[in-house]
Amino acid sequence: NAGVTQTPKFRVLKTGQSMTLLCAQDMNHEYMYWYRQDPGMGLRLIHYSVGEGTTAKGEVPDGYNVSRLKKQNFLLGLESAAPSQTSVYFCASSSLKAGGQYNEQFFGPGTRLTVL
Amino acid sequence: GENVEQHPSTLSVQEGDSAVIKCTYSDSASNYFPWYKQELGKRPQLIIDIRSNVGEKKDQRIAVTLNKTAKHFSLHITETQPEDSAVYFCAASMGLTGGGNKLTFGTGTQLKVEL
Repeated sequence: NAGVTQTPKFRVLKTGQSMTLLCAQDMNHEYMYWYRQDPGMGLRLIHYSVGEGTTAKGEVPDGYNVSRLKKQNFLLGLESAAPSQTSVYFCASSSLKAGGQYNEQFFGPGTRLTVL
Repeated sequence: GENVEQHPSTLSVQEGDSAVIKCTYSDSASNYFPWYKQELGKRPQLIIDIRSNVGEKKDQRIAVTLNKTAKHFSLHITETQPEDSAVYFCAASMGLTGGGNKLTFGTGTQLKVEL
């Protein structure tokens, strides 16, 4: 049982390049989330999904797109990377148990992205 | 939207002393308040949480208190140990339409436990 995994662990991009971050969970969780973590700013929600085929915007969605074609995977895309998107990206998932609003979010190990 | 403020940003204590971290939130609709611990280079991990219908919760050396009227909640760590050194994040959450919860995090407290 691997929990939440993220690919890649590190990536360096040039301004204007695109990339996709992959998040996978093997806990059969219904809900998945993407956060970014910047120094002194805590974690901020980018996008989230409440089920396969559904996505919604979080607090800081601009410049990112997401897709959830399979229940176990949640992809985060950057179409045209900017230096302001240099950050550590964390994926998380939580279960449907008892309605889901009080359930722990389990985090992946993170992806460190640098945009030059 | 929800806004969570967390204080202090850094906290240094002697081993064996207690540590207290405080957070305030703005949206009275928030009903779930988890605390996460993040060691350097690692993922955040839940250490304790509390729901809005509970005033206090304790788990061994860790306790959380919630004052709904004042919209603030606190983390208390007693008998601190060097392995407690980490960044601690509070969060406030409300349920999402369709399920799940939307966490708004504080900016973190760097706790250092000195020998």
